[in-house]
Amino acid sequence: AQSVTQLGSHVSVSEGALVLLRCNYSSSVPPYLFWYVQYPNQGLQLLLKYTTGATLVKGINGFEAEFKKSETSFHLTKPSAHMSDAAEYFCAVRGYGGSQGNLIFGKGTKLSVKP
Amino acid sequence: GAGVSQSPSNKVTEKGKDVELRCDPISGHTALYWYRQSLGQGLEFLIYFQGNSAPDKSGLPSDRFSAERTGGSVSTLTIQRTQQEDSAVYLCASSPRDGWGARGTEAFFGQGTRLTVV
Repeated sequence: AQSVTQLGSHVSVSEGALVLLRCNYSSSVPPYLFWYVQYPNQGLQLLLKYTTGATLVKGINGFEAEFKKSETSFHLTKPSAHMSDAAEYFCAVRGYGGSQGNLIFGKGTKLSVKP
Repeated sequence: GAGVSQSPSNKVTEKGKDVELRCDPISGHTALYWYRQSLGQGLEFLIYFQGNSAPDKSGLPSDRFSAERTGGSVSTLTIQRTQQEDSAVYLCASSPRDGWGARGTEAFFGQGTRLTVV
């Protein structure tokens, strides 16, 4: 079965600093991976996704993530944090087998940005 | 509609009552998901409807929870004999394809229903 682990339920960075949110996955097949963001009092929206091909994926708002098969990781990064990046971030993996289309989420990481 | 619509947006109910939460997916989307979001628990998978195939109900936490999807469109999540631990935000999402074809596609989320059991 597929699963996702997000390390750190809360990450705090200063404005302008590097953002690194960690995600490790478990999958018996080549994974399809997603990062979603949830701003306060809003629904989830897609930041970026990895399906096949290039392992470095660029998303909206300057975020990117790199798929590393050897490390079973899909960490999310942004070179310079902005106050507007404060939100909760969720990593997800697609299911397989009887639930091929299902999306399995991690517990989320809340990002705070200090001025 | 333009996006996934959930109703009501807020629901307060007394312990022991039954509640129904509604989800209108994006027109034409064959996959529909329900999740529960509680503080510190992330998005807990509840149920996944995949086109005409049998739904994946493996995430439903107890037999008090059930869901149906009529005509491949609107879905209703029912919680019977609500308990205080059922208080959470219930999120619905839809995706244009299901099963194997869904693997690279995005799921679109509604704004959620905030359920409070008092």
